[in-house]
Amino acid sequence: QSALTQPASVSGSPGQSITISCTKTSSDVGDFNYVSWYQHHPGKAPKVMIYDVRNRPSGVSNRFSGSKSGNTASLTISGLRAEDEADYYCSSYTTSSTLFYVFGSGTKVTVL
Amino acid sequence: QITLKESGPTLVKPTQTLTLTCTFSGFSLSSKTDGVGWIRQPPGKALEWLALIYWNDDKDYSPSLKSRLTITKDTSKNQVVLTLTNIDPVDTATYFCAHRTWPAAYFDYWGQGTLVTVSS
Repeated sequence: QSALTQPASVSGSPGQSITISCTKTSSDVGDFNYVSWYQHHPGKAPKVMIYDVRNRPSGVSNRFSGSKSGNTASLTISGLRAEDEADYYCSSYTTSSTLFYVFGSGTKVTVL
Repeated sequence: QITLKESGPTLVKPTQTLTLTCTFSGFSLSSKTDGVGWIRQPPGKALEWLALIYWNDDKDYSPSLKSRLTITKDTSKNQVVLTLTNIDPVDTATYFCAHRTWPAAYFDYWGQGTLVTVSS
């Protein structure tokens, strides 16, 4: 069982907003200040969508946003599009443990 | 533009040693700030970080697999090699390599992954 728990699936209609949660369930994750989110279309290279909880890399649509409250980080996708259908993984980086990187269990986003 | 590509065997027998190669372009592992890591994903399961190597040859390993993993780099070939010893069917997974720009805390570029099946 992953130290970061995500819902197995989230769905929404085009144009809607959805939110994926990522809950820290283990101390292996550390202080949970360096949370990133990856989008993965099966068979393709994963792509970072959010880093350091809420920052978007250059080139990532502003429809993607990140936040954190306590032990739960969230990824919100606004104005849902067909191309957003993919698997999404949260990840936490810490130097307070030798398990530097922990990944979430993954969430399948379906666009209805 | 940074690209990474994984290569290696698709089928490995139990107890053997798995050797995977990550061939990259768009950066040099002799340049300060660059690192390359390996992450795997068993079928239907979560991603799992395995190891990371940096430009200065510093290495980090997942504690649970440290005794079985070795990561090395060949700067002249732009390659990073991961070996996993005493392989078992639970090691069946898609193996990804990915780039990290230190001190950023995330992997900014990934390869497409290579599926390795462990079976007799």
